[in-house]
Amino acid sequence: AQSVTQLGSHVSVSEGALVLLRCNYSSSVPPYLFWYVQYPNQGLQLLLKYTSAATLVKGINGFEAEFKKSETSFHLTKPSAHMSDAAEYFCAVDPNNNDMRFGAGTRLTVKP
Amino acid sequence: GAGVSQSPRYKVAKRGQDVALRCDPISGHVSLFWYQQALGQGPEFLTYFQNEAQLDKSGLPSDRFFAERPEGSVSTLKIQRTQQEDSAVYLCASSLDWVDRGSYEQYFGPGTRLTVT
Repeated sequence: AQSVTQLGSHVSVSEGALVLLRCNYSSSVPPYLFWYVQYPNQGLQLLLKYTSAATLVKGINGFEAEFKKSETSFHLTKPSAHMSDAAEYFCAVDPNNNDMRFGAGTRLTVKP
Repeated sequence: GAGVSQSPRYKVAKRGQDVALRCDPISGHVSLFWYQQALGQGPEFLTYFQNEAQLDKSGLPSDRFFAERPEGSVSTLKIQRTQQEDSAVYLCASSLDWVDRGSYEQYFGPGTRLTVT
């Protein structure tokens, strides 16, 4: 069975600092991996996805993530945090299409 | 509209009442998904349709939950005899046919926040 673990339910960074949100997955088959962002009272918006092409994936809003099979990780990074990045971030795995499983989420706070 | 829409956005029900939540997927999207998101948690899969066929309903928490998509477009999630533990945000998502894995993506609606009192 596939699952996702997001380390740290809350992450706080200063504006301009590096953002690192951790995600580890387990999957019995090569997975699709996703990062979604959710702003208050809104649905989920796709940031980026890994679909077995390049292991370093670039997404919207300056975010990127690197698929590391040996570490079963798909951590999300952004070099310089902006106040508008404050939101809830979800990592998800979908190994078989149409079977997406989400992590519990990480709330990112950006301090001025 | 261009995105997935859901109605109502907010619903308050008294315990024991039946509720119906509607999802309008993106036009032409074959697959439709329902998720339940409890406060402070990630979305949890409820059920999945491909066109009008419900291919997976393994996530429905009890037989009080029922979903349908009779014409392969709009879907309704019905909860009978609501309980307080049903309080959550119910998210709907749609996607194109899964054949092209490279372009696969689920598009989410804004959700319906259900509060059972």
